Amino acid sequence: GAGVSQTPSNKVTEKGKYVELRCDPISGHTALYWYRQSLGQGPEFLIYFQGTGAADDSGLPNDRFFAVRPEGSVSTLKIQRTERGDSAVYLCASSLGLVNTEAFFGQGTRLTVV
Amino acid sequence: QKEVEQDPGPLSVPEGAIVSLNCTYSNSAFQYFMWYRQYSRKGPELLMYTYSSGNKEDGRFTAQVDKSSKYISLFIRDSQPSDSATYLCASKEPSGNQFYFGTGTSLTVIP
Repeated sequence: GAGVSQTPSNKVTEKGKYVELRCDPISGHTALYWYRQSLGQGPEFLIYFQGTGAADDSGLPNDRFFAVRPEGSVSTLKIQRTERGDSAVYLCASSLGLVNTEAFFGQGTRLTVV
Repeated sequence: QKEVEQDPGPLSVPEGAIVSLNCTYSNSAFQYFMWYRQYSRKGPELLMYTYSSGNKEDGRFTAQVDKSSKYISLFIRDSQPSDSATYLCASKEPSGNQFYFGTGTSLTVIP
């Protein structure tokens, strides 16, 4: 597809469980971002990848959150021991590079922790 | 203080009206400014992307940046019911790793 693809679109999990959220960026885009959006709020930065490396993970709220991008394309956001406060829409975006390029978002994964 | 401030609204206008959406920012190093449109339960869709100060027009949409006052605006002419959505402004430093978003303004265009 031409756009950023995120799977699953919805995920309901029990408190304490582990979840993985997947992002497939636009082909050729080296920069990849994860954001989190709570109801009525703007997206908040989690982590930024340039290629395979996490160039900035300063937005990850705690060590239960981790993300990888092993081949510089698809990325997985991993959340351990989920808590009800983790419930939000997790958004992925990609861009051609870091400077002077637009970022395009996927549809998001709506995570609900019950 | 948040990096980007935006009035959440809601804003309600009649069809055909001119809409003005605004944000302010605090970081003078921001050089890139974006407007996204987000429909309910969808991801943000990039509408406008500008660099530094000035105006940029695309169809019914005009983005305006005033760096002297740290003010970002989006104007929508001849508004349509299909423009009903939440509009997010975002800013970024040239070498920064993240986009900073406002909270979004909810717009309803009434037929």
